[in-house]
Amino acid sequence: DQQVKQNSPSLSVQEGRISILNCDYTNSMFDYFLWYKKYPAEGPTFLISISSIKDKNEDGRFTVFLNKSAKHLSLHIVPSQPGDSAVYFCAASENDKIIFGKGTRLHILP
Amino acid sequence: DTGVSQDPRHKITKRGQNVTFRCDPISEHNRLYWYRQTLGQGPEFLTYFQNEAQLEKSRLLSDRFSAERPKGSFSTLEIQRTEQGDSAMYLCASSRDFYNEQFFGPGTRLTVL
Repeated sequence: DQQVKQNSPSLSVQEGRISILNCDYTNSMFDYFLWYKKYPAEGPTFLISISSIKDKNEDGRFTVFLNKSAKHLSLHIVPSQPGDSAVYFCAASENDKIIFGKGTRLHILP
Repeated sequence: DTGVSQDPRHKITKRGQNVTFRCDPISEHNRLYWYRQTLGQGPEFLTYFQNEAQLEKSRLLSDRFSAERPKGSFSTLEIQRTEQGDSAMYLCASSRDFYNEQFFGPGTRLTVL
């Protein structure tokens, strides 16, 4: 059973608008959450993270929100740029091990 | 370049052959992880090392798979008697103690014919 779920396989957003990628998890013991970005033929690149004791973390155009009661997190990218087109993986950490979702492919439209 | 490196980037082999992959982590990182990624899935944890000690192995890691990190620096992942189901991208990542962020290499794509 999947402990980290990304229910949208793909998402298309107009350049300059906000991209919102969603993620749900089932394990309440997860204490750290991460987002990774992946281009074709490359390994995942760390983007942003959040500890379970926080509800928001911001880094430039990227903001991650955590709703522990709903076991839900989201990544906001604003404004979206063409270079943001990639696969985004939500991930959760427990005891030094990271569990990844299946990913959401983001297309930024010109 | 001080990132995680993996060698080879691509490997094509025939079923039944043995293959070995190498990972060189970021030099100051003492944790090293192996993952496998298949089409449409996220990376799946296989095993990890803290220095030279292998601390955890996933049930995905059958007895045909073995990983080593003999001097606490680079690591090797060997697959014996490869099967077509072993075809995947094998990713290596490294991190520092007590830091959750793992940094990934470019991966080794294995194709078993």
